[in-house]
Amino acid sequence: EIVLTQSPATLSLSPGERAILSCRASQRLNNYLVWFQQKPGQVPRLLIYDASKRATGIPARFTGSGSGADFTLTISTLQPEDSAVYYCQQRSSWPLTFGGGTKVELK
Amino acid sequence: EEQLVESGGRLVRPGGSLRLSCAASGFPLSTFNMNWVRQAPGKGLEWVSFISTNNVHLQYAESLKGRFTISRDDAKNSIYLQLNSLRAEDTAVYYCARDRALDIRAYDIWGRGTLVTVSS
Repeated sequence: EIVLTQSPATLSLSPGERAILSCRASQRLNNYLVWFQQKPGQVPRLLIYDASKRATGIPARFTGSGSGADFTLTISTLQPEDSAVYYCQQRSSWPLTFGGGTKVELK
Repeated sequence: EEQLVESGGRLVRPGGSLRLSCAASGFPLSTFNMNWVRQAPGKGLEWVSFISTNNVHLQYAESLKGRFTISRDDAKNSIYLQLNSLRAEDTAVYYCARDRALDIRAYDIWGRGTLVTVSS
């Protein structure tokens, strides 16, 4: 089973700052890495698929990058509405797995 | 509008069974792979199970094999998750999610979830 480790667990930043979220896999992926955003009381929302492709309607400030076993989600200019928990998921091999999540807090 | 609606969650005793349903509307379920994902209270997301179109391919999280069974009825535009031998640690909101495996390789639509509580 591929283990995904997300860091940091919590990120506390001010609006306008850049957020860098990490997702590290226990083995190399074939770039089938997905990022979701989940706000309190809401269902997860697809942000990024295939490691770097933005889903329909996702603002350009969200960028996915990385390859192999190291992936990053960058939020270039934080907006108040970006306060949420962000999860990565690998689709490289069964069983599918999620990372533990990174909580982004806005000061 | 394309949407998924889960149902069937309730309070159940340890060792009990439950059948969850996920009904699709606004699109033909038969053309999509589907998944169940769960989230324990205050915890992260955990992938549970996958079913391909035409029931050809089924997958389960390792820790759940033998206790949970996924199925689908395309005529009813629905998928199901049979949960047996339930334990306290199965307490969670269970989501179904549409899998766009052929193009974007991701879940693009999620239901709002149904809460399963396992407690005596």
